Amino acid sequence: LAKTTQPISMDSYEGQEVNITCSHNNIATNDYITWYQQFPSQGPRFIIQGYKTKVTNEVASLFIPADRKSSTLSLPRVSLSDTAVYYCLVGDPFKAAGNKLTFGGGTRVLVKP
Amino acid sequence: NAGVMQNPRHLVRRRGQEARLRCSPMKGHSHVYWYRQLPEEGLKFMVYLQKENIIDESGMPKERFSAEFPKEGPSILRIQQVVRGDSAAYFCASSPDWTRADTQYFGPGTRLTVL
Repeated sequence: LAKTTQPISMDSYEGQEVNITCSHNNIATNDYITWYQQFPSQGPRFIIQGYKTKVTNEVASLFIPADRKSSTLSLPRVSLSDTAVYYCLVGDPFKAAGNKLTFGGGTRVLVKP
Repeated sequence: NAGVMQNPRHLVRRRGQEARLRCSPMKGHSHVYWYRQLPEEGLKFMVYLQKENIIDESGMPKERFSAEFPKEGPSILRIQQVVRGDSAAYFCASSPDWTRADTQYFGPGTRLTVL
């Protein structure tokens, strides 16, 4: 399984854009990049998944360069309720073994008023 | 459509007692996963079950831990003779099929405290 590295924590202010970069130098050809969000005292929640280039949904955008060795989760105009831990996961979701989600330490994002 | 349900939400046990954690998957989901989260750490996979079958238990400690997902009823994670190091949050996730990791839906977790 590809190992991921992401910053331990980030601080931001309401209304700003938050960008979290995840490094995954050993990503395999069939691996996808998935981001989860975890609020205190709750289970993780799927945010976004991508393979290459750019993916956007109503919550976030995911930017993946051509070499796929890193990815950046972008949260536009954050609010206080976006304070959470964000996890970057890499794996093949189409393999049975890929369903064994591997979480790293995540990035603690604190949004201040 | 109710989400994944776990109970109890909080469980306190003394060393040597047994802990039973229950997980009811989302309606229509037949795949259940258990994860453990120690304070300030990410979730660690424990076991993956389908109805009446353990598919992958590579993350389960070899002793004292067991899991089941019977034909009827919730999935159960059982910890015998608990020790202080078992104190953690235990999360259950469910999915409708095995093909997409992004379709795992997590429950609110059970926080186990061992005194």
